[in-house]
Amino acid sequence: GNSVTQMEGPVTLSEEAFLTINCTYTATGYPSLFWYVQYPGEGLQLLLKATKADDKGSNKGFEATYRKETTSFHLEKGSVQVSDSAVYFCALSDSTGANNLFFGTGTRLTVIP
Amino acid sequence: NAGVTQTPKFRVLKTGQSMTLLCAQDMNHEYMYWYRQDPGMGLRLIHYSVGEGTTAKGEVPDGYNVSRLKKQNFLLGLESAAPSQTSVYFCASSYSWADTQYFGPGTRLTVL
Repeated sequence: GNSVTQMEGPVTLSEEAFLTINCTYTATGYPSLFWYVQYPGEGLQLLLKATKADDKGSNKGFEATYRKETTSFHLEKGSVQVSDSAVYFCALSDSTGANNLFFGTGTRLTVIP
Repeated sequence: NAGVTQTPKFRVLKTGQSMTLLCAQDMNHEYMYWYRQDPGMGLRLIHYSVGEGTTAKGEVPDGYNVSRLKKQNFLLGLESAAPSQTSVYFCASSYSWADTQYFGPGTRLTVL
């Protein structure tokens, strides 16, 4: 079956620190991989995605590379800001027609000045 | 262009009461989804729709019903609410099966 295992939080970093949030997956077929971000009081927003092995998704300074050999999609940012404080969800989309998303449990990031 | 909107934002129900959550999208998307979000868990798919007049079960459909009478609206119903249905409910939509899902702001439901 499909599942996503995500690094447990919460994570607290100082501003300008390096961020890594680990994500590994189990899937049948050839899934697409996503990172969604949820800011306080808001719905989820797509942060980045990758649709095939070795693809790198990037947005707002965040990056993640689709690693089929290690079934991973770790999220990284070189220098976090206070405004990056949010909950981050790793997800995969199965390759069937319904585009069902399977989410990890989420990692809460707090960036302190 | 409002995107995906959800009504209401908050609701408190007593056990056994019924209610309907409304999701509306103005992006002409074919696919719509209802998820629930519980503490310590990722979002879980309740029901989804691949087009007007169609619905299908997701991962956790028990206790919920849905309808997609109009392309832009996707309704989630609770016929007899239970405390286990206390959660935050998110609606999402996408243009096709391969496209990005866009999420609404969520409805926080408490069942006493």
